[in-house]
Amino acid sequence: NAGVTQTPKFQVLKTGQSMTLQCAQDMNHNSMYWYRQDPGMGLRLIYYSASEGTTDKGEVPNGYNVSRLNKREFSLRLESAAPSQTSVYFCASSLRFYEQYFGPGTRLTVT
Amino acid sequence: GQQVMQIPQYQHVQEGEDFTTYCNSSTTLSNIQWYKQRPGGHPVFLIQLVKSGEVKKQKRLTFQFGEAKKNSSLHITATQTTDVGTYFCAVRGSGAGSYQLTFGKGTKLSVIP
Repeated sequence: NAGVTQTPKFQVLKTGQSMTLQCAQDMNHNSMYWYRQDPGMGLRLIYYSASEGTTDKGEVPNGYNVSRLNKREFSLRLESAAPSQTSVYFCASSLRFYEQYFGPGTRLTVT
Repeated sequence: GQQVMQIPQYQHVQEGEDFTTYCNSSTTLSNIQWYKQRPGGHPVFLIQLVKSGEVKKQKRLTFQFGEAKKNSSLHITATQTTDVGTYFCAVRGSGAGSYQLTFGKGTKLSVIP
């Protein structure tokens, strides 16, 4: 039982490059989330998926897209990376309104 | 969406001293969650409070939800070096936003041995 897994752990991109962050959970949770964490800013919600087949914008969705591939997997895509997207990205999952379980994070640097 | 203010931003304590972090909202909250994030780690759920005036304990940690459900606190008695990390409160939106958690900016705790 791995919980929530994220790949990659680290990534360096040049401005304008694209990439997809992968997230998978094996807890049969309905809801999945993508957050970014910047120093002094706490965790900010980018997108979430309340259930398979639905996605919704969070607080800071600009520059990102998401895909809920199936119940287990929720990916985050940066189409044209910008230095402002340098951050630590966390995926999380939950059983509806209960506690959220976080993955280990992806540390992304955009130069 | 929901807004929540968390204070203080930083706290340095000697090992053995107590520590408290506060979370305040201008609106009534349906519930509040607390998370801990160790340096270099990911947030880990600690507890959820739902009822007005609720107090819950986990060993040296005491969590309170205010009577008006607009504030909450986390108190650690006799801190240890294992308590180092950032503590976040998180509140849930209402209606269409009820799947969203809004996190406070966190209180970073340093413990001096």
